[in-house]
Amino acid sequence: DGGITQSPKYLFRKEGQNVTLSCEQNLNHDAMYWYRQDPGQGLRLIYYSQIVNDFQKGDIAEGYSVSREKKESFPLTVTSAQKNPTAFYLCASTVRNTEAFFGQGTRLTVV
Amino acid sequence: AQKVTQAQTEISVVEKEDVTLDCVYETRDTTYYLFWYKQPPSGELVFLIRRNSFDEQNEISGRYSWNFQKSTSSFNFTITASQVVDSAVYFCALSTYSNYQLIWGAGTKLIIKP
Repeated sequence: DGGITQSPKYLFRKEGQNVTLSCEQNLNHDAMYWYRQDPGQGLRLIYYSQIVNDFQKGDIAEGYSVSREKKESFPLTVTSAQKNPTAFYLCASTVRNTEAFFGQGTRLTVV
Repeated sequence: AQKVTQAQTEISVVEKEDVTLDCVYETRDTTYYLFWYKQPPSGELVFLIRRNSFDEQNEISGRYSWNFQKSTSSFNFTITASQVVDSAVYFCALSTYSNYQLIWGAGTKLIIKP
């Protein structure tokens, strides 16, 4: 079945630690996105990529990094520079101007 | 500038009532696309509908219907005979031909009481 897989579902990070969230899609979509969602809030764009080896900052990129070495994969690293990383992270992919498909999300908690 | 406004932060109704979720958008592009998504408590966003700017026909899918009006820049979503399972956060979104990033509304939390 085609879709987007995010892992892990739950992730715990210690202060000062970098962690990487995985996002893989087998939909052959060109564009991929990372969003952050805080409790009771909407979606905020962190990074997006429209083609392999290219990506752009979204509205809240500080403290995050990404790579797009393969069309299928768009991992997100939450660095120690992100001072308040506890949130729900959603990955999405899309073909231009069609609906975006979302993964199940990763809940990141700082411990 | 492109913007999506969902003015209703939270709506609470009793089961079997009809409920309408409002979505107002802003864009200068003539070609654009509007979307509705549902986010149940599990968190995953579920796609409900896409509508392009050249198609103003209303859409009905079971208990769900959508009213697209370019004259008022609105794309409202109505649930008829609501059910408890409809409880979720609903998001409206916009993309344009020139910039196909999705612009999201803040979401409306819908609570259906039994």
